[in-house]
Order: sequence, then structure tokens, then C-alpha cells
Amino acid sequence: DVKVTQSSRYLVKRTGEKVFLECVQDMDHENMFWYRQDPGLGLRLIYFSYDVKMKEKGDIPEGYSVSREKKERFSLILESASTNQTSMYLCASSWDQLTEQYFGPGTRLTVT
Amino acid sequence: EDKVVQSPLSLVVHEGDTVTLNCSYEVTNFRSLLWYKQEKKAPTFLFMLTSSGIEKKSGRLSSILDKKELFSILNITATQTGDSAVYLCAVEERSGGGADGLTFGKGTHLIIQP
Repeated sequence: DVKVTQSSRYLVKRTGEKVFLECVQDMDHENMFWYRQDPGLGLRLIYFSYDVKMKEKGDIPEGYSVSREKKERFSLILESASTNQTSMYLCASSWDQLTEQYFGPGTRLTVT
Repeated sequence: EDKVVQSPLSLVVHEGDTVTLNCSYEVTNFRSLLWYKQEKKAPTFLFMLTSSGIEKKSGRLSSILDKKELFSILNITATQTGDSAVYLCAVEERSGGGADGLTFGKGTHLIIQP
């Protein structure tokens, strides 16, 4: 069974703080993804990575960065959190092209 | 303009009814279309479609893709209350590198009343 885990289910941070969201997958997947999900906007891709130390911008990368030092771990970094980054963050991984993405349970981040 | 459009956005039916959910897309380099079911947690995978006209089936759920008209439908027959969820449609585009992220529609919120 594929398992994608995220470090926190709920997180509350203050404006201006640096925030790290961690994602780990245990299936040796090549590709990893970060999305955010907001009511009325659906899921939107922030960043993805198809190899260690490789990263690609998604549709809404502004205000975010990522790190992939090891194959199984993909971190999303909010350099200076802002209230408009309050959202549900979902990590996903996949084996290759044309394979489904498996999602983690999500982290609900609130920035006050 | 949205690349992936789902309709209806919400739907309420009675148990036992059959429902059809729609997804239209407009992308440059289509690779695949995926359907996910999301309850109060992470989306779970239902189907991946890459070829036109080939129905994928899993129990009471089925889906088909029309690459000429750029749409897909998800059918659920003999609905049950456990089918209540948000159904997400997503499209993967082809690029020069490895796999790309998905572009999601806003989802169809399906409610099955007993």
C-alpha cells in the first residue's frame, strides 16, 4: 500500500513566520507534488519535483519554495507566511508519467 | 479561463438514482485525464483515461473519454449514501521533462439522500 504522510494535520502560524511543511512517501516514487485546496478554487499546483534536487514551478509558486534533498521527502517552505496562505495543503507522489498520483492526508494551515 | 471545467458543481439525488458527472477540458498537450473521489480527507484515485471511447469500469462506477470533443463523464449507477463526496476531474499535460502536475476542476459535490 502506498503511503504518503505529511508532518502535521493542523498548523497555526503567525504572519511573517517561516513555515516548513514536510511530506514523505514510502514507495520510491520519482515524482512529488504540492497542491493547495481552497473553497471555490479547487486544487492548484504549487510546485513539483521529478527527481532529487529537481524542482518545477506549478501554477501558483509565488510565496513558496521547495526542497527535495532525498527521493522520499519533499518539503514546502513558506519564507514569510501571509494570511492569504491560509489553506489546505496536499502533497502527492507518483511513480512515473501516466500513473496516478497518491495523496497525503493534508495539512490545514492557518496564518493569523 | 479555467482549463478544466466540471458540471454540475453540486448535485443532490436519492439513493438508487444514476448520476452522470461531466468534465470538459482545454489543454495544449493532453496526456491523461483522471477522476478522484474526495470525502473529508485526501482525494482517492478512481480512474485514469488516456484513449477515446474506451470505458473504464469499477463496480458501479464507470468513465469514458472523448478526445475529439474534449470531455469525459463519470457515471455512478444505483447510488448509495457512501457515494456522497466531491468528485474531482484532473488533466495531465505532456511536457518535455518528467511527469507534470495535474490541473484540477473545481469538483462536483454529490449528495446522496437516503
